[in-house]
Amino acid sequence: GQNIDQPTEMTATEGAIVQINCTYQTSGFNGLFWYQQHAGEAPTFLSYNVLDGLEEKGRFSSFLSRSKGYSYLLLKELQMKDSASYLCAVGGGGYQKVTFGIGTKLQVIP
Amino acid sequence: GAVVSQHPSRVICKSGTSVKIECRSLDFQATTMFWYRQFPKQSLMLMATSNEGSKATYEQGVEKDKFLINHASLTLSTLTVTSAHPEDSSFYICSARASLAGIYEQYFGPGTRLTVT
Repeated sequence: GQNIDQPTEMTATEGAIVQINCTYQTSGFNGLFWYQQHAGEAPTFLSYNVLDGLEEKGRFSSFLSRSKGYSYLLLKELQMKDSASYLCAVGGGGYQKVTFGIGTKLQVIP
Repeated sequence: GAVVSQHPSRVICKSGTSVKIECRSLDFQATTMFWYRQFPKQSLMLMATSNEGSKATYEQGVEKDKFLINHASLTLSTLTVTSAHPEDSSFYICSARASLAGIYEQYFGPGTRLTVT
């Protein structure tokens, strides 16, 4: 089965950098995703990692280590609008199946 | 970009009634659609995977007779919550995967908030 762990809440200051960690255990691995979800809205896709290493996309970067079952999402130059939940999700354990973690609620403060 | 719509966005129904939620891929053909449920402060839980023209595959613990899924065309899947109860109140989200797409190409609808009174 799938097991995904990430912190439930984090607080960071506007303009700063924050790293959200995610560890996972999975039977079969087919990529790791990060999604952003604002309250009451559907998730929006941020990143996808299937190979080890860092993927950078503007202010957001995502890192994956498959041997350690570990990923992180790095947010730079934080803005107030970045306050949201960040969901770590793992593909695997079945064709096309994606399993979501509980999400990390990030609060950006002035 | 790919757009997925859901209708209705919000619905309130009385206990014991049935509610149908539609999920449409507006500008692409979706061979596979996924239905998720999200309770407050919890993660998205996959309920079922539906492939066009075949029966849906339900996750463990999801009652297939209560949550009826139909994927009759490449652009439409429906989820019917039958004999709804207050504990079925939740945020229901669908996602659609384009034909021959990679696993990451899932596009989410805006969600439907169901309240059962």
